[in-house]
Amino acid sequence: GAGVSQSPSNKVTEKGKDVELRCDPISGHTALYWYRQSLGQGLEFLIYFQGNSAPDKSGLPSDRFSAERTGGSVSTLTIQRTQQEDSAVYLCASSRGLDADTQYFGPGTRLTVL
Amino acid sequence: AQSVTQLGSHVSVSEGALVLLRCNYSSSVPPYLFWYVQYPNQGLQLLLKYTTGATLVKGINGFEAEFKKSETSFHLTKPSAHMSDAAEYFCAVIGQGSQGNLIFGKGTKLSVKP
Repeated sequence: GAGVSQSPSNKVTEKGKDVELRCDPISGHTALYWYRQSLGQGLEFLIYFQGNSAPDKSGLPSDRFSAERTGGSVSTLTIQRTQQEDSAVYLCASSRGLDADTQYFGPGTRLTVL
Repeated sequence: AQSVTQLGSHVSVSEGALVLLRCNYSSSVPPYLFWYVQYPNQGLQLLLKYTTGATLVKGINGFEAEFKKSETSFHLTKPSAHMSDAAEYFCAVIGQGSQGNLIFGKGTKLSVKP
């Protein structure tokens, strides 16, 4: 079946602009995660959605970052007023939501802030 | 809080040689442990995971890892390296009872020489 998809695959933006990154999880997966991968910080957890529960936003680095998940499926990560340090690959993953279930990762969105 | 340490950011082996990638974890609760592989310009793919039961875990592509509680280790091995194994490998941990987000090590880039 189809895996996790993310769009766009690449995004170049200017400092100060807002960007939206999209994630389509595997159908039927109730858990959805966003991670960020950068040279300096490695792989960092950003935010976690599980079903209809309130999301775990504990990994968001600042209030410029937000995410939503509509209808328990597609998720959008929004970065407002982008900064150069936001340049990274943003990875989305989904799982069935059970304890220690395998997380399946999308190919990522490479964000470059000029 | 959980954490993961991967010893060696770069490991180089000859084709046919043993592959050993080291991972030590810190967790205040029994951990779930994972190894993911990332090929260039691709997302993360699960190699194997330990949840409960047998401490020697076999994964895809001939890789295996052994959970050693006394050493807080989960080293990844493969008896004979293949050129196609060249990639970056990430060890990750989830604490039991946590929200399920992965805590990753910094990664080890494996090079395979012909």
